[in-house]
Amino acid sequence: EIVLTQSPGTLSLSPGERATLSCRASQSVDSGRLVWYQQKPGQPPRVLIYGASIRATGIPERFSGSGSGTDFTLTINRLEPEDFAVYYCHQFTGSPWTFGQGSKVEVK
Amino acid sequence: EVQLVQSGQEVKKPGESLRISCKGSGYSFTTYYISWLRQLPGKGLEWMGRVAPRDSSTEYSPSFQGHVTISIDKSFNTVYLQWKTLKASDTAMYYCATGDRAWTLWGQGTLVTVSS
Repeated sequence: EIVLTQSPGTLSLSPGERATLSCRASQSVDSGRLVWYQQKPGQPPRVLIYGASIRATGIPERFSGSGSGTDFTLTINRLEPEDFAVYYCHQFTGSPWTFGQGSKVEVK
Repeated sequence: EVQLVQSGQEVKKPGESLRISCKGSGYSFTTYYISWLRQLPGKGLEWMGRVAPRDSSTEYSPSFQGHVTISIDKSFNTVYLQWKTLKASDTAMYYCATGDRAWTLWGQGTLVTVSS
């Protein structure tokens, strides 16, 4: 099983600041099969980035993804109030498909 | 409208059986795998398994194999998640989801509470 470790667990930032979230895999992940989701309380997750770096339809340009192999990053430039949420990385290279434990971006 | 609509909240006792559903509409139901995911209270996401609508084949995470059954009724564009014997530890929110290179379409979630 591929274990995804996200850091930091919680990031305290102010609107307008940049958030950098890390996702490290226990073994190499196909970049085409690395996804980032955002989840807000009481809602299902929403896809932000797929293929490690491709923004999903309707996702603002301030969200960007990068990385390959075992290290992936989600960057949120100029945080907006609606960006404070929990973010999960997810891989479907190897079965079982797995998620990171989540990174919470909270208001400082 | 393209959507997955899940069945409503359930409250059950340990040892009881349960089947929850996820109905797709507004898109070609047989195009993509449909997965079930679990989210324990206050915790992260776990992939439970998936069904391929074309041939009804299933694949499970080892963590859930043998404890749940995923099935499909293509005539109703509906996927099911079933337990024969619920445990208190099954208390969680359950989501169905589908998509091509990512899960772009999610159900609204079904909250299952198992308590004596």
